[in-house]
Amino acid sequence: QVQLQESGPGLVKPSETLSLTCTVSGGSISNSDYHWGWVRQPPGKGLEWIGTFYYSGTTYYNPSLRSRITMSVDTSKNQFSLQLSSVTAADTAVYYCVRDKRSSCESWGQGTLVTVSS
Amino acid sequence: QSALTQPASVSGSPGQSITISCTGTSSDVGAYDYVSWYQQHPGKAPKLMIYDVSNRPSGVSNRFSGSKSGNTASLTISGLQTEDEADYYCSSHATSGAAHVVFGEGTKLTVL
Repeated sequence: QVQLQESGPGLVKPSETLSLTCTVSGGSISNSDYHWGWVRQPPGKGLEWIGTFYYSGTTYYNPSLRSRITMSVDTSKNQFSLQLSSVTAADTAVYYCVRDKRSSCESWGQGTLVTVSS
Repeated sequence: QSALTQPASVSGSPGQSITISCTGTSSDVGAYDYVSWYQQHPGKAPKLMIYDVSNRPSGVSNRFSGSKSGNTASLTISGLQTEDEADYYCSSHATSGAAHVVFGEGTKLTVL
């Protein structure tokens, strides 16, 4: 059974770049049957899709975040990453990495809280 | 990219059935059979309950069922149990504004 684990700083200063990594175990990130992505949830609020990438190289980003997002993959480590630039307090959220199949997030990491504050 | 519309809350008694609606547009729910439903208990990660409108992942109780008509999808939970009390979110594949996935606003289910 695939497992996903997010890692990264829990505190980021305003205007800086948020960087998170998702480590995948129990399955290969190179499996073309699946896609990989990120979802976030501000405290007390609902889920927001951030972006999804296909192993083929195609990426899809939330239009409201597109100008600030970079997603990348490291197949040698079975990891993928998210960078969100120019963060503000509105980017404070629990960030989840997910395995996606046909736009369904079938596996989720446990989530990591990132707080944007000086 | 607008969130899919869900009722803020629904409630039911143990043993009863409830239905949660998820209304989108012809660019998301109405266009694709890629609607999913997630259950989220407080402090936990969401769990996939329904995918592709009406399919259940292995291990999910058959008390959970999904359907779709036009731009509206629905999640029905029959034989309500206290452990079903949670937040529920729908999602859909989408192409509006070059988006890919859109989530619903979320529904708080209270089992009275």
